[in-house]
Amino acid sequence: DADVTQTPRNRITKTGKRIMLECSQTKGHDRMYWYRQDPGLGLRLIYYSFDVKDINKGEISDGYSVSRQAQAKFSLSLESAIPNQTALYFCATHSGNTGELFFGEGSRLTVL
Amino acid sequence: QKEVEQNSGPLSVPEGAIASLNCTYSDRGSQSFFWYRQYSGKSPELIMFIYSNGDKEDGRFTAQLNKASQYVSLLIRDSQPSDSATYLCAVMEYGNKLVFGAGTILRVKS
Repeated sequence: DADVTQTPRNRITKTGKRIMLECSQTKGHDRMYWYRQDPGLGLRLIYYSFDVKDINKGEISDGYSVSRQAQAKFSLSLESAIPNQTALYFCATHSGNTGELFFGEGSRLTVL
Repeated sequence: QKEVEQNSGPLSVPEGAIASLNCTYSDRGSQSFFWYRQYSGKSPELIMFIYSNGDKEDGRFTAQLNKASQYVSLLIRDSQPSDSATYLCAVMEYGNKLVFGAGTILRVKS
């Protein structure tokens, strides 16, 4: 099984719908991140969390919210999806020792 | 100005040549620097990290860091077609926020 698991892997939805992307990890890392990837723009940080009580906004947090339900779970929500939120979303955990990020396989979201 | 800048490419090199990928960053307080490789449709995977000025070698890969110039590079020796991918530079900024560049597309032609 993957160390970082994202669900769903693919989702098509309509404008205005609420969407939740879930991430769970078995690596035991405290730090978790949500990134969005668009062609030509690389990975942009949405939110990150250093523990259950510590949530931080990234560079593009508008229109998104997160919940850190447990050390192993970090969910990203789009309260009212819009077409320009169509993207590939990655969850990642962070090794505090080496600084390496371990990525999930990505969730491709399409908002019509 | 974007915090981490990379040339989007594509950078095309013949098989067996050296590929040179470059990255500049704006946060002078950054201490850790990473190179990730991403194949199309896949998640990024770490190639190398570097913390200190100078060169760090790992097999065919060499990372170079110059903090005074705020510049980090990745050299790939004896490039192979399997090296064709997007290479992402990432910088750990103050507050343990990892910021990525837009990535450079590398194409190795056989």
